[in-house]
Amino acid sequence: ILNVEQSPQSLHVQEGDSTNFTCSFPSSNFYALHWYRWETAKSPEALFVMTLNGDEKKKGRISATLNTKEGYSYLYIKGSQPEDSATYLCASLNYGGATNKLIFGTGTLLAVQP
Amino acid sequence: DAGITQSPRHKVTETGTPVTLRCHQTENHRYMYWYRQDPGHGLRLIHYSYGVKDTDKGEVSDGYSVSRSKTEDFLLTLESATSSQTSVYFCAIKDRPRSNTEAFFGQGTRLTVV
Repeated sequence: ILNVEQSPQSLHVQEGDSTNFTCSFPSSNFYALHWYRWETAKSPEALFVMTLNGDEKKKGRISATLNTKEGYSYLYIKGSQPEDSATYLCASLNYGGATNKLIFGTGTLLAVQP
Repeated sequence: DAGITQSPRHKVTETGTPVTLRCHQTENHRYMYWYRQDPGHGLRLIHYSYGVKDTDKGEVSDGYSVSRSKTEDFLLTLESATSSQTSVYFCAIKDRPRSNTEAFFGQGTRLTVV
């Protein structure tokens, strides 16, 4: 069974603080690492999909990096705003013969206080 | 928005009764996934499908079965519902596994087993 882990489990920051989360995933048979943003009472929405070692992606104040050799990814939020409050999920897509499972971590809950 | 709908959106059922949840897509995506969301667990994979009549188990498949008789529909059945299956169920779709595209999620189905 694939094990995708995220830390911290939750994070409380002040508006304007910068923060980062970690996702660790199995590096064997790895294909892609996904990051999703999930607001309460809504469906998860994709932030980034990364496949190559050393990949860095950015969307506004949010960026992510990928290290496939050691099996981790970081998500950074610069200058957090209250609207960034959400659960951030990562998911690993690993080869499994003819099939591929998309396995999620337990998420990091971010609360940004004004 | 990706064309993916789940039905029903809410259901209350009694212990021991069979329940079927439906996921319908209009995107012609090959991969479809069923997840359950529980506090502290993020999204856990129940079953997934990689084509018509092709399905495989996920992390928490006990007590669940699935069927996919056509590309657009993926059904999740609880043969005999138990209180431990009270959860929010999400369906997701993805075009093909080995690509850098994200998964798209349905709105979720809240199931309560009393």
